[in-house]
Formats: sequence, structure tokens, C-alpha cells
Amino acid sequence: DAGITQSPRHKVTETGTPVTLRCHQTENHRYMYWYRQDPGHGLRLIHYSYGVKDTDKGEVSDGYSVSRSKTEDFLLTLESATSSQTSVYFCAISDGKDYEQYFGPGTRLTVT
Amino acid sequence: GESVGLHLPTLSVQEGDNSIINCAYSNSASDYFIWYKQESGKGPQFIIDIRSNMDKRQGQRVTVLLNKTVKHLSLQIAATQPGDSAVYFCAENRAGNQFYFGTGTSLTVIP
Repeated sequence: DAGITQSPRHKVTETGTPVTLRCHQTENHRYMYWYRQDPGHGLRLIHYSYGVKDTDKGEVSDGYSVSRSKTEDFLLTLESATSSQTSVYFCAISDGKDYEQYFGPGTRLTVT
Repeated sequence: GESVGLHLPTLSVQEGDNSIINCAYSNSASDYFIWYKQESGKGPQFIIDIRSNMDKRQGQRVTVLLNKTVKHLSLQIAATQPGDSAVYFCAENRAGNQFYFGTGTSLTVIP
């Protein structure tokens, strides 16, 4: 998976609890992305980062925040998880020289 | 509205046959497209890409065709193998490094 890890790989949490997902890369790529994948939908962009401390919203950013304090780490936080955030979350990276994105293995999050 | 979609949600082919997976897009300003393969329980994997100034690009056993007139993209897999069984997505670049993904076609290869 091109030097990308995600943690945890699986998580079950209760409605209203905070959750943080971590994406770690060893490729020193500038761009990092968080997507969610749900049945009947293509991958949808939540947030992305174009450098340390530089982030922007994607198409489904409500209820999510992100942080990037180091090149290698991109954190996705659900401040107060809801059942609608049950999904598989993928992190992706890109060097920005071309458009190719490399995806991590995914995190399956279940909010009960 | 604008969308990236696939004509068929599922496709079954005999091992050794060629597979064709289709994708429609509606944003004429999109200038770059990628096909991804996703196996069960894994993240999407890049297969092949094509820029809007091309109409065909070939890789190893795969060919992508782009028809800008009708806003259509296809992925052809030659001599399909059991290992090709997966979900295939097209992705459309509309702005900068942001992509919009189709819902995917599930390809099943019958031995």
C-alpha cells in the first residue's frame, strides 16, 4: 500500500463519543486525503491536506475535522460520532507532481 | 447534475475472455481520469490513467479509451484472469488534486 498505514483498522464506538483515525505515510508526499466509502456511493472526499498545517474541506466535511502537524501524519477526528458516520475510511497520498493517489488499507468504523 | 457513474454495477466474464467496463462523466472540463481496482477488504489500487488530450492509453493487459464527444470512458482488460475479480472505479479530476469517484462495477471472473 505504498507506505501508507491506517490505525486502527477496525473500531466500534458509541454515538456521541469522539474518535480519531490516524493515517501515517513514509513516502514524504505533500498531499494527503481522507475519504469515506459507503454502499451505493463512490469514494467521497472528506478533507485533504496540501502541506503541514494546510488543510481544506471536501464534499462531505460536516462532522469531521482534521489536523496535520507533521508531513507523515494526517488525523481525522469525529468530535461526536453519529450512526451516519459508520463507514469505511480511506486515507490517500499524492506527491502532487501528477494526480495519482495511493490508498491505505482502510479503517472500518462502526458507530452504535 | 454532474456525476461520475458506471453503466453496469456487475459484470461476469469467462476466464480468458476480454472485459469491458464503462464509465460516464458529465463534466466536460475534467482533464484527467483514473481507473482503480479494489479487492475485497483492501484500498483502491491504481490501474491506469488518461489525460483529456488522449483518446487511448495502453498498459499491461489493460487499455483505457476516452471519448470526449459523448463523455465516456472505458476500461478493457484482455484475457481476464481470476485475479482480476474485483470492483473497478473510474475517477474524474475536476479541480486541482480533487477527484470524484464512480460507484464501481463488480467484475467476477468465472473459471
